[in-house]
Amino acid sequence: GDSVTQMEGPVTLSEEAFLTINCTYTATGYPSLFWYVQYPGEGLQLLLKATKADDKGSNKGFEATYRKETTSFHLEKGSVQVSDSAVYFCALSDEKTAGTASKLTFGTGTRLQVTL
Amino acid sequence: DTGVSQDPRHKITKRGQNVTFRCDPISEHNRLYWYRQTLGQGPEFLTYFQNEAQLEKSRLLSDRFSAERPKGSFSTLEIQRTEQGDSAMYLCASSFGTDYGYTFGSGTRLTVV
Repeated sequence: GDSVTQMEGPVTLSEEAFLTINCTYTATGYPSLFWYVQYPGEGLQLLLKATKADDKGSNKGFEATYRKETTSFHLEKGSVQVSDSAVYFCALSDEKTAGTASKLTFGTGTRLQVTL
Repeated sequence: DTGVSQDPRHKITKRGQNVTFRCDPISEHNRLYWYRQTLGQGPEFLTYFQNEAQLEKSRLLSDRFSAERPKGSFSTLEIQRTEQGDSAMYLCASSFGTDYGYTFGSGTRLTVV
């Protein structure tokens, strides 16, 4: 079945450091890929998405590129802030019917802690 | 629209009791999903509805779990004869047809003692 593997955390960085959180996936067909973020005490929020190979999703300075050849969707940010401290989840959507959203398969999450 | 609402936010129950959670999705969203998240793990899919039809159920959803969406609007998730292993955060999400973005609620945290 479908699966998502993320690098384990916690990841601790100083403010303004470069961030990479690795994510690889296994899926049949052509899934859509997502990064969700969960801030302390809050629900999951969609951070960015990519729906086909070589697409780049970006939002709030974060970006990730859908790499079909390496089955990866690594999250990057050039300069992190304390306010980016959260848990980040990589996820894929198995598309049984083209053009419609289906259930998400999540990775285990990576906790990011950014310090001054 | 205020997003996806879940009620209650927290529930503590004794083992063997029944519990019911409610989810109110974004009004124009026709798909509604239930997920379960345990500490240190990502959310795991339980079931989803398109309008009032329950289209898929995970193997994780034992016979003690039942979900309904009677009029294609709000949904309820009931757990009968709760066990300690049911302790988790239960998340609801909704989406609209071809929209690849899912909106999640804040979840209901269940503790079975």
